Parts: sequence; structure tokens; C-alpha cells
Amino acid sequence: DAGVIQSPRHEVTEMGQEVTLRCKPISGHNSLFWYRQTMMRGLELLIYFNNNVPIDDSGMPEDRFSAKMPNASFSTLKIQPSEPRDSAVYFCASSLRRRGPTDTQYFGPGTRLTVL
Amino acid sequence: GQSLEQPSEVTAVEGAIVQINCTYQTSGFYGLSWYQQHDGGAPTFLSYNGLDGLEETGRFSSFLSRSDSYGYLLLQELQMKDSASYFCAVREAGGYQKVTFGTGTKLQVIP
Repeated sequence: DAGVIQSPRHEVTEMGQEVTLRCKPISGHNSLFWYRQTMMRGLELLIYFNNNVPIDDSGMPEDRFSAKMPNASFSTLKIQPSEPRDSAVYFCASSLRRRGPTDTQYFGPGTRLTVL
Repeated sequence: GQSLEQPSEVTAVEGAIVQINCTYQTSGFYGLSWYQQHDGGAPTFLSYNGLDGLEETGRFSSFLSRSDSYGYLLLQELQMKDSASYFCAVREAGGYQKVTFGTGTKLQVIP
């Protein structure tokens, strides 16, 4: 059973360029989360979707960031234009929302982004 | 909003027991989770407490006290491979499984 798949695993780009990160959640999961992790700010929730609908994007740092989930098996996080302060590890996670207190999120391996 | 506090670093000896505490302030609380993250890896789920009390999973146990807004993760029979960062995370009330993570505790296990 494949876990959450993210691509690319590493991305090095120059300031001002567009960056697109991709995520394939676990089949059957109906919630998807994008996180950013840095030493200074820890693990931050950027946006999450439920049944492909964005529920809360209050963590998206600014308009340069956008996320889409066109179907249940694919999501993208786009940064345009990128800046050096966007350098971080970006994680995608998915879970299955049921009635009751289920809570397990399954994380992908992450994309390490470096903006020069 | 949510805020969580954890110690930033803990060092313990192989074979010993270590407790990592987490206190939280929240406007709506559903449950407390713990995740483990090795350097260079992704967070992985360890345990979840929706009710007060102790949950045990092998060498790991997690405890929650809603009245004290407090929880802890207990690791027994420490092994070198337990060296990692441990995050507590609060699940908000209201559904949709939004989770806010603490800043993490880096555990170093020494021989």
C-alpha cells in the first residue's frame, strides 16, 4: 500500500521563479493537508482540504502561495514568485475523516525547497 | 487559536524512561496526538488521547488531563533509535481534523 507521495523530493530554484509541489494522498483518504517546516517556525499548517474542497487556508503566508486539489488523488502547492524565505521542507499529509475522534495523519516524505 | 508548549530538548540514557510534557491553550479541544520525526524524515503518528487517562502502545504511553490542559508522552526502555523529535498536536473541536503542532522536543538517547 503506497503512502503519501510527494514530488519532487528536492527543488532548488532562483528567486522569482515559480515552484510547483505535488502530492498524491493515500487512496481513500478524504482530507489533505499542506505543512511547511523550518527550524525557526516549526511545523506550520498552510492549508487543508476535505473532499477536495479547501476548508481553511488561513495558514497560507501570502498571495504568492496557492493550492489546488482538482480531484481526490492529486494536489498542488504553488509559489509564484518564490523568495529565499520560502526555503523549507514542505509536507503533504492525508487522513480519513470519519465520525468520531479519529486523528491519524499520514505524512509524505516532504519536498526540500531551496530558493537562492 | 491554539498554543502548545513543550521542552525544546531532552537527553536520556539508553534503557531508561523519559517523559515529554505538553501543555496547551485552546479555544476548542478535541484530542491530543503525538508524532515522532527522525532527522530528515517525515512525522509519523504515535498515539492519540481523546479522553482523560493513559493510552499504552508498546514501549510508548501517552496521558491526557483535560482539566489541566496537559499531556505527556512516556517512552520506556529507551533505545538509540528513539532519538528523534517528538511533537504534541491538538485537534480542534468542530471536525475536519485540523491539527496544530507544538514546536517539538528533541530527544537524544545516549549510551
